Amino acid sequence: EVQLVQTGGGLVQPGGSLRLSCTASGLTFRNSWMHWVRQAPGKGPIWVSRINGDGSKTGYADPVKGRFTISRDNDKNTLFLQMNGLGFDDTAVYYCAKEQCRGAGCFHSHWGQGTLVTVSS
Amino acid sequence: SYVLTQPPSVSVAPGQTARITCGGNSIGSFSVHWYQQKPGQAPVLVVYDDTDRPSGIPDRFSGSNSGNTATLSINRVEGGDEAHYYCQVWDTSGDHSVFGPGTEVTVL
Repeated sequence: EVQLVQTGGGLVQPGGSLRLSCTASGLTFRNSWMHWVRQAPGKGPIWVSRINGDGSKTGYADPVKGRFTISRDNDKNTLFLQMNGLGFDDTAVYYCAKEQCRGAGCFHSHWGQGTLVTVSS
Repeated sequence: SYVLTQPPSVSVAPGQTARITCGGNSIGSFSVHWYQQKPGQAPVLVVYDDTDRPSGIPDRFSGSNSGNTATLSINRVEGGDEAHYYCQVWDTSGDHSVFGPGTEVTVL
């Protein structure tokens, strides 16, 4: 059974930093593209970032480019999201998610439990 | 970026069929995926590639996709189906997921 267990998050002041972690089990982690998706209170999910299996390819949504960094440690089956320069609009529940693709269409087959990031003064 | 639209809410009586639409320009040319999210929980994939169900998802859940509208149907609706439902496509131009705004399903 695939499990994604998240840690990190919490309350941070504007301009501050946080690092989120997501530890995977039940899958061949080093072969998996992984994503971060966030969801502001009462809103739908929004894609944040993705990384390929060996960490050599990454992608970011425009609102987080230059502030967030996705990375992974395949020896520890762990995905990270380093978030710097946090603003009020970054307040959300952050989910890690495993990518699965069929042809040209990709989706998120498994999700972590989510972790709340609150940016407040 | 590609934009998806969904009705904010759908109400359905127990035992009836709920139909949740997801609109987008020529969405029929995309693979559409659907997630169920209950309060305080992570999204759960219920339909992928327009019509396929992951293991463990009841066959009461089905999908279709054509033209400018994709549809998730929930047959024989139960109280446990109350949730928000989100559609999602993969935007190949930007290599990222695009989600709809979500539809809240209420069982009367």
